[in-house]
Parts: sequence; structure tokens; C-alpha cells
Amino acid sequence: DVKVTQSSRYLVKRTGEKVFLECVQDMDHENMFWYRQDPGLGLRLIYFSYDVKMKEKGDIPEGYSVSREKKERFSLILESASTNQTSMYLCASSIAGGYNEQFFGPGTRLTVL
Amino acid sequence: SQKIEQNSEALNIQEGKTATLTCNYTNYSPAYLQWYRQDPGRGPVFLLLIRENEKEKRKERLKVTFDTTLKQSLFHITASQPADSATYLCAKDSNYQLIWGAGTKLIIKP
Repeated sequence: DVKVTQSSRYLVKRTGEKVFLECVQDMDHENMFWYRQDPGLGLRLIYFSYDVKMKEKGDIPEGYSVSREKKERFSLILESASTNQTSMYLCASSIAGGYNEQFFGPGTRLTVL
Repeated sequence: SQKIEQNSEALNIQEGKTATLTCNYTNYSPAYLQWYRQDPGRGPVFLLLIRENEKEKRKERLKVTFDTTLKQSLFHITASQPADSATYLCAKDSNYQLIWGAGTKLIIKP
């Protein structure tokens, strides 16, 4: 089975802190994605990557950056956390191509105080 | 901009009945529509994909239809069970990404 793991299930940080969210997949998928999910808004794409060292902005990249140094690992960085970044963060991966099913991690519930 | 709309109100269905969830989209028809299930506190899990040239797709008790004229997909669960209670998400492809609906919460009552 495809497994996507995320470094933390719950995280509490202070405003202004730098936050790292890690995601690892074990199926050699080319594509990886970071979403945030807020009630009533659905999944919103922050960044995605279709290859090592490649990244593309999604719909809401402001305040975030990403890193993909290895194929299996995709990191989301909040440079200076703010309270409006309190959310559920979901990582996903898929094989190459635009429309393939995505496999999700369990999510990280981030609270910024 | 592309939009996916799902009924934001929870859908309450009696066990054993068929549950039908709706997904409406705007602008051009996607090549694919996907349906996922999400349980509380967990990531979505893929259920079915339907292509624009397919009218209907089935998998066990699940059935998805795709009507490009109505710009709508329907998701059916027949012989529903309490274990089917979850939030169901619809997603359409757009520029090598997926555009997601907010999901519909389905509650199956015994």
C-alpha cells in the first residue's frame, strides 16, 4: 500500500516562529502536493512539485515556501507563522501526469497562538 | 475561475437506503472527476474516477455518473450502512491540478 506520512499530527507554535512540516511517501511518486483544509472551504493547494527540486505555486502560496531535495520528501515551511495559518495541513502524492488519484497523509493540525 | 460546488448541508439517510450526493462545476467540463472519502481527523481516500466520455462508473455499492450537459456528477451509495458515514469530496482536474469541493457530510442512521 502507498504510504504517505507527515511528521506531526498536532503542532502548536507561536506567532513569528518558523515552522517546518515534513512529508514522506514510499511509492516513488513523482508528484507531491501541500494543501490546507479549513471548514467550508475545501482543500486549497499551497504548492506542488512534479520532480525533485521543482516546485510550482498553487492557489495560496503567500507566507509559505517548500523544499524537495529528494524524491520521497516534500517539506512545507512557514517562514513566520501567523494566526491565520492555523489550519489542517495535508500532504499528498501521485504518479506523474495531471489527473491521477492522490494519496494523502493523515494531516497535521497546526495551531498558531 | 474554476469552481466545484457540493451541498454544504449534511445529508441524513436511513440505513439500507440509497444516498445520492451532488457535485456541480463551472466553466468547461473536466477530463476527469474524482470522488474521495474523508473521515474526521484523517486525509481523504480516493474512491472513484470517471472520465468525461464515461456516463457511469461502478465499484461495489458505489456508482458515479457524469453529465457534461448539466455540468454535474452524482455519487450514489446503495444499501447504505452506518459505516458509510463520512464526508465525501468531489474534485475536477484543471491545469494538471485538482480543484476541490468543500465536501458533503453524509450521516447514515441505523
